[in-house]
Amino acid sequence: AQTVTQSQPEMSVQEAETVTLSCTYDTSESDYYLFWYKQPPSRQMILVIRQEAYKQQNATENRFSVNFQKAAKSFSLKISDSQLGDAAMYFCVGDNKFYFGSGTKLNVKP
Amino acid sequence: DTGVSQDPRHKITKRGQNVTFRCDPISEHNRLYWYRQTLGQGPEFLTYFQNEAQLEKSRLLSDRFSAERPKGSFSTLEIQRTEQGDSAMYLCASSSLSGPTPTGGTAEAFFGQGTRLTVV
Repeated sequence: AQTVTQSQPEMSVQEAETVTLSCTYDTSESDYYLFWYKQPPSRQMILVIRQEAYKQQNATENRFSVNFQKAAKSFSLKISDSQLGDAAMYFCVGDNKFYFGSGTKLNVKP
Repeated sequence: DTGVSQDPRHKITKRGQNVTFRCDPISEHNRLYWYRQTLGQGPEFLTYFQNEAQLEKSRLLSDRFSAERPKGSFSTLEIQRTEQGDSAMYLCASSSLSGPTPTGGTAEAFFGQGTRLTVV
């Protein structure tokens, strides 16, 4: 089984600044995927970034990057040069039956 | 449109009535997931299918809830004798089983826009 924990219910960041969202997880598997999904207000859930556990290199997608610490079971999301459109709920998700964390609401201040 | 579609988008029902929601996954996807999401919370896993087989049901899914996926294509989620506590967004997602992880983990799940249920 896989559990996912997000300890930050809400975060705020100034436009153009950098913010890091935290996630820890627990799994008995050695190979797996981890994801960050974004859910803007009243809109569809979309994939932000994906990390394959057997790859040591941290995933990067434009302004979004992860810090994946496999031994510590930590999977944080860094958003650089934050934009107003980044405001949303962000969910950390494990690939086993797609269990979601409780989410972090990100506010972006102009 | 080749994404995941859910029908209806909104449903208002009286307490005690039965409701059924439909999810049409992306056609080549063999996994289908149902979630329930209340305001400000993360989606709670309800159940998932691999092809037509229902592999797991959450304890959240009481006897009043049933899900089917005949022929491994679309899926339905039925709630019998609805209660006010059933009011939520019901999300459906689909994915394809993919390697290379030994667990057969999924590389990405695609979500529908959800069905918002209001029980009055």
